[in-house]
Amino acid sequence: SQTIHQWPATLVQPVGSPLSLECTVEGTSNPNLYWYRQAAGRGLQLLFYSVGIGQISSEVPQNLSASRPQDRQFILSSKKLLLSDSGFYLCAWRIDRDSEAFFGQGTRLTVV
Amino acid sequence: KQEVTQIPAALSVPEGENLVLNCSFTDSAIYNLQWFRQDPGKGLTSLLLIQSSQREQTSGRLNASLDKSSGRSTLYIAASQPGDSATYLCAVQNTGGFKTIFGAGTRLFVKA
Repeated sequence: SQTIHQWPATLVQPVGSPLSLECTVEGTSNPNLYWYRQAAGRGLQLLFYSVGIGQISSEVPQNLSASRPQDRQFILSSKKLLLSDSGFYLCAWRIDRDSEAFFGQGTRLTVV
Repeated sequence: KQEVTQIPAALSVPEGENLVLNCSFTDSAIYNLQWFRQDPGKGLTSLLLIQSSQREQTSGRLNASLDKSSGRSTLYIAASQPGDSATYLCAVQNTGGFKTIFGAGTRLFVKA
């Protein structure tokens, strides 16, 4: 069966520090991968999606970047965090765009 | 531009009551619509996926309907239980790309 792993679960980082959040999927190949951010009391905002290794589409201009170095690995990064980067970050995958989406357990990022 | 709206934003019901959560979307060109559950501080759990050619899907006490022409979906929860307390999110997958658009969610509280 397919599983998705996302870590860390919680992270507190100072302003200006770098960020690296990792997401891996098991049990499938060539999935579509997604990074979302959920601000408190708000809906999910799509940040990046990837349909293959090295293929990244950005939805929102921001302080973040994403990379897909391997088929089932999706990384969210920042060189210098801002206070406004605080939020709940969720990774998701689906096998293709008309199939069911599955989410990781999320990372709570607090920038102080 | 696809917009997804969920009504009500919050709902409190006594245990045992049947209830309906509403989701509306502005663009009917979708592959599918998916309902999720989110517990506080957790990731999203997929509940039901309805393909654009389908009218409804059922899983246990949950029944989701889709009227693509009118841009509406409902999630029916029968005989609600305190364990159903969570935020329920609907999301549509547009045919024009890889984006999944989420509603802001309905926060449900079932009182024992």
